Amino acid sequence: GAVVSQHPSRVICKSGTSVKIECRSLDFQATTMFWYRQFPKQSLMLMATSNEGSKATYEQGVEKDKFLINHASLTLSTLTVTSAHPEDSSFYICSASSISGASSYEQYFGPGTRLTVT
Amino acid sequence: AQTVTQSQPEMSVQEAETVTLSCTYDTSENNYYLFWYKQPPSRQMILVIRQEAYKQQNATENRFSVNFQKAAKSFSLKISDSQLGDTAMYFCALGSYNTDKLIFGTGTRLQVFP
Repeated sequence: GAVVSQHPSRVICKSGTSVKIECRSLDFQATTMFWYRQFPKQSLMLMATSNEGSKATYEQGVEKDKFLINHASLTLSTLTVTSAHPEDSSFYICSASSISGASSYEQYFGPGTRLTVT
Repeated sequence: AQTVTQSQPEMSVQEAETVTLSCTYDTSENNYYLFWYKQPPSRQMILVIRQEAYKQQNATENRFSVNFQKAAKSFSLKISDSQLGDTAMYFCALGSYNTDKLIFGTGTRLQVFP
């Protein structure tokens, strides 16, 4: 089946620094990747949608200058949290969509990255 | 606006019994997908079952089946012969043909007891 990886799985950084999270589709080409944020015991909130070779589309309330998304290839998207603060601590999940056939739309999820800002 | 509502924050069931998780949704689109995802303690999102809105037949995957009522905008998940490994958060999600986005419900925490 389709596999999506994320790296790192856990990261701790100091307040004011930047951290980059990678999302890779390992065995398929993903024209669209999605970034979600999940607070403890809460649901997934979509942050942005990225298409290969174009600018990401951010959801309302998400700061595009703080959460930089790059989708340079059909298998790699990155999320950079710039000037991180403790309130950015969260679980970040990426997913990738693969459309195979007229009725096979599905998002495949990465294992998530736990970010802790101290 | 599209919304997904899961009215049961927590459910519990005894091993081997059957449990039904509720989900209602709202959308103005005619074509869409509905999903149930499972998130165990590892936090990896796992697709449980998928239903295409244009299909009248309810989807089934082994012990998991759905009751899809399109007119009522209801999409419940039935888990038969519950197993300890079914313990997890379950999220109902609405997928748009137009935007490719998924809208998630708030989740139901299911505990399976021995």
